[in-house]
Amino acid sequence: GAGVSQSPSNKVTEKGKDVELRCDPISGHTALYWYRQSLGQGLEFLIYFQGNSAPDKSGLPSDRFSAERTGGSVSTLTIQRTQQEDSAVYLCASSATKEAEAFFGQGTRLTVV
Amino acid sequence: KNEVEQSPQNLTAQEGEFITINCSYSVGISALHWLQQHPGGGIVSLFMLSSGKKKHGRLIATINIQEKHSSLHITASHPRDSAVYICAVAQGGSEKLVFGKGTKLTVNP
Repeated sequence: GAGVSQSPSNKVTEKGKDVELRCDPISGHTALYWYRQSLGQGLEFLIYFQGNSAPDKSGLPSDRFSAERTGGSVSTLTIQRTQQEDSAVYLCASSATKEAEAFFGQGTRLTVV
Repeated sequence: KNEVEQSPQNLTAQEGEFITINCSYSVGISALHWLQQHPGGGIVSLFMLSSGKKKHGRLIATINIQEKHSSLHITASHPRDSAVYICAVAQGGSEKLVFGKGTKLTVNP
């Protein structure tokens, strides 16, 4: 595709439910990142995928968060048993290599009520 | 203390003014990024640099590795430049970015 695509653009969920957020990176980009931006806060790293290497999960805030990347392309970020503090904009970015410029998606705004 | 500090937090300018936004960091880095986030949340990567200076249109980014400091300059500012400008660093040996809190720029006509 022309850019990084994220879906859904908005998600409202009840506390305790699981949610899945999807990221379609730019075709051919080997590096994929997930970040989140909470209201009034700066951007925060969550997880990084590079090719077939083991992902860097060091930014995941708890074991309720997980992510996978299938076939080196599409990635899904899953949040189990959502809490109100999970409310944020979740941003995905991809780059051609780990040293190259990153392109960001429009984000998924998650609201946990 | 945040690893990446930006100043100012907020900046208001008149159209045509020269703008400077500063970023200081406290860790060793492999690269520094300048990002632009418009109202509505979309983020655009402006520059990625590890040394020297880069220019794109009216935007100029410089970095001084020894002083751990970078600046983003906007010449002949325009209201459409109004956005949040975010500095982010990739720490040496890691691919994850550490972000500053952003500088909100408002350019008035």
